[in-house]
Amino acid sequence: TQLLEQSPQFLSIQEGENLTVYCNSSSVFSSLQWYRQEPGEGPVLLVTVVTGGEVKKLKRLTFQFGDARKDSSLHITAAQTGDTGLYLCAVGTGTASKLTFGTGTRLQVML
Amino acid sequence: KAGVTQTPRYLIKTRGQQVTLSCSPISGHRSVSWYQQTPGQGLQFLFEYFSETQRNKGNFPGRFSGRQFSNSRSEMNVSTLELGDSALYLCASSLGLVSIEAFFGQGTRLTVV
Repeated sequence: TQLLEQSPQFLSIQEGENLTVYCNSSSVFSSLQWYRQEPGEGPVLLVTVVTGGEVKKLKRLTFQFGDARKDSSLHITAAQTGDTGLYLCAVGTGTASKLTFGTGTRLQVML
Repeated sequence: KAGVTQTPRYLIKTRGQQVTLSCSPISGHRSVSWYQQTPGQGLQFLFEYFSETQRNKGNFPGRFSGRQFSNSRSEMNVSTLELGDSALYLCASSLGLVSIEAFFGQGTRLTVV
């Protein structure tokens, strides 16, 4: 059983569309991070959420931490080809030193 | 400031050989963690070092080992390579004991033939 389940697993959309990806668990977390990874590269940290119900915005990306701190969502408005990549949620056991990653959502944005 | 640097970027080794990968963390970061990424298993934690001491270890065989030097640079070693060790090996650095954010290097792509 995966600690963090992400959905959907794959997503292929046209440029300009909106999308939401989810990260779900039955466990409660003190913080959660979202990363984006491009092929052959390391994950790049997008955001860290720490408070239940918290909403953070990064340009066209909106991140939300669930009220119970068990889940999170990432919404992308007007997707661009540059948003293509693997989106990963991750949680640490108190610190960032040992992260557990979700199953990942592979997003492809086409022209 | 400079990010996390991993060397080499690509490596091809023969089954049975051993390999050493290197990671230089962000300046001032004292914690270095290693991860293995494969298509089937995703990103999995290998081990973590802080102040030259291994603090956490993932569920990997003893063929996987690491160390950290006094300047926080870290190396990981895999002995008696198996085909299944082919993966992207990622290093992440964080400030240390209370940091909740980790920053990754570009990774080393290891292919075992």
